[in-house]
Amino acid sequence: GAVVSQHPSWVICKSGTSVKIECRSLDFQATTMFWYRQFPKQSLMLMATSNEGSKATYEQGVEKDKFLINHASLTLSTLTVTSAHPEDSSFYICSATREDSEQYFGPGTRLTVT
Amino acid sequence: GDSVTQMEGPVTLSEEAFLTINCTYTATGYPSLFWYVQYPGEGLQLLLKATKADDKGSNKGFEATYRKETTSFHLEKGSVQVSDSAVYFCALKDPSAGNQFYFGTGTSLTVIP
Repeated sequence: GAVVSQHPSWVICKSGTSVKIECRSLDFQATTMFWYRQFPKQSLMLMATSNEGSKATYEQGVEKDKFLINHASLTLSTLTVTSAHPEDSSFYICSATREDSEQYFGPGTRLTVT
Repeated sequence: GDSVTQMEGPVTLSEEAFLTINCTYTATGYPSLFWYVQYPGEGLQLLLKATKADDKGSNKGFEATYRKETTSFHLEKGSVQVSDSAVYFCALKDPSAGNQFYFGTGTSLTVIP
């Protein structure tokens, strides 16, 4: 149990377009979902925390108008990178927690902006 | 604030060698401690965890003991395999900090035959 999926696993888009990444908890209801960004050979950087039905809480330095997070249900959160630029190219990882507060990670989405 | 300091890599070992990856932490409360593993192109997988002082987490031959006196949670394995090649992240979760996770920078391990 406690499987988290992400879609797509990789995406290439042109500069100026928007990209949506989905994060789903497949076999449990997630009280909270997190979005991380990982640069090559670096650790995870927490971008935002989202709870179902409420606005996401963004970490300092993360542009909320650029990285739109929607947590529409207890099993789905989406991250939309708006007007993407090459510097947004990165590995985006989501995680979800359930009642035991354990954090379960998705497999990640590699975004390349050309 | 809370933080995790992890041994820098990369680490290269021969198969069957002994592995130690050091991890120390700073926390305001009483954190739970974790080791996660990330294989190439994949997300993070929980390797082991410990929730209180002197607890030992273990999985797949890996072990780590929660040492409050030295604020450490070093990862060890007695005999590594090629399949252990991955990046290892030490992390803490502090209930007094809203259960947010703090990650170390990761240590890349390569095991050669």
